[in-house]
Amino acid sequence: GIQVEQSPPDLILQEGANSTLRCNFSDSVNNLQWFHQNPWGQLINLFYIPSGTKQNGRLSATTVATERYSLLYISSSQTTDSGVYFCAPDNYGQNFVFGPGTRLSVLP
Amino acid sequence: KAGVTQTPRYLIKTRGQQVTLSCSPISGHRSVSWYQQTPGQGLQFLFEYFSETQRNKGNFPGRFSGRQFSNSRSEMNVSTLELGDSALYLCASSLLLLGEQYFGPGTRLTVT
Repeated sequence: GIQVEQSPPDLILQEGANSTLRCNFSDSVNNLQWFHQNPWGQLINLFYIPSGTKQNGRLSATTVATERYSLLYISSSQTTDSGVYFCAPDNYGQNFVFGPGTRLSVLP
Repeated sequence: KAGVTQTPRYLIKTRGQQVTLSCSPISGHRSVSWYQQTPGQGLQFLFEYFSETQRNKGNFPGRFSGRQFSNSRSEMNVSTLELGDSALYLCASSLLLLGEQYFGPGTRLTVT
């Protein structure tokens, strides 16, 4: 099946800083989602972005399917942004496969 | 619109027992997927149901099974529980197969 890598594995930021999270995948995809898992375990949709760029407030995402990567940008980070960020591309149209995640800690 | 609900939220079982978890999708959603999350293996796909039919299955033993009802609610069952089945079980619903997925809060299962 498709292989998914995320970098960095861990990230510590000061409140107000910007960051870029990367997701690489081993094959072409039709769909890709980004999620934020909060400290209570709830997975929250951020973006459904098989290609192109989308923005939602302080967050934006870009997927370049032909080059097999997606980026998540977080600007002006807040402590509530802490948690684990997952990307999940589809596995040859069968199901979504989750990457190992990037653990983000935003310090006040 | 109400979100995805899962019951129970927490469960403690003994090795060898079986367990049934329930998931109610967002109204109008016909696809329900199940995932297992553990610290060692991360988030792994279990299976997906659409219109009461299992469409895809992950690489899990036959002890893990599921079903979907005509109202799109889904249950998953794990028989002969093992210590390694301790995990957070998450369900997600979507309007379409491989559509945008919305997750429930999860059921945390502990096997002793």
